[in-house]
Amino acid sequence: GIQVEQSPPDLILQEGANSTLRCNFSDSVNNLQWFHQNPWGQLINLFYIPSGTKQNGRLSATTVATERYSLLYISSSQTTDSGVYFCAVEHNNDMRFGAGTRLTVKP
Amino acid sequence: KAGVTQTPRYLIKTRGQQVTLSCSPISGHRSVSWYQQTPGQGLQFLFEYFSETQRNKGNFPGRFSGRQFSNSRSEMNVSTLELGDSALYLCASSLSLAGANEQFFGPGTRLTVL
Repeated sequence: GIQVEQSPPDLILQEGANSTLRCNFSDSVNNLQWFHQNPWGQLINLFYIPSGTKQNGRLSATTVATERYSLLYISSSQTTDSGVYFCAVEHNNDMRFGAGTRLTVKP
Repeated sequence: KAGVTQTPRYLIKTRGQQVTLSCSPISGHRSVSWYQQTPGQGLQFLFEYFSETQRNKGNFPGRFSGRQFSNSRSEMNVSTLELGDSALYLCASSLSLAGANEQFFGPGTRLTVL
């Protein structure tokens, strides 16, 4: 099946810093989403982005499907950005999540 | 529009028992997918239901089963519970098949097996 790798696994930032999270996948995908999992376990949709670039406030994402990667940018990070960020892809009806990036933003 | 709801939110069972979890999708969504999340294995796909039919299935034993009703609500059942079944169970809904559409997740059911 398709492999999904996220990097870095852990990231510690000072409030106000910027960061880039990466998601690599091993095959073509029909669907790619980024989620933020809060401390209570809720997965919150950030972007549905099988290709191209999208922006939503301080967050933006880019997927380069031909090169099999996606990037999530967080600017001017806040403590509420802390949590685990997952990318999820779909390939041949197989939905796969990466292992996530655990982000800690310190005040 | 109300989001995806899951009941119960927390559940404690003992080995050998069975459990049924429920998921109500966003109004108008016809696909419901189930996932298991554990610290060791991460988020793993269980199965997807669309129009009351199982469309896709992950690599889980037959003790894990599900169904979908005509109103798109879905239930999953785990029989003969094992300690390793302790996990957060998440369901997600989408307008049509999950592979081609954005998925929206519920808050999850946290199952503890003693």
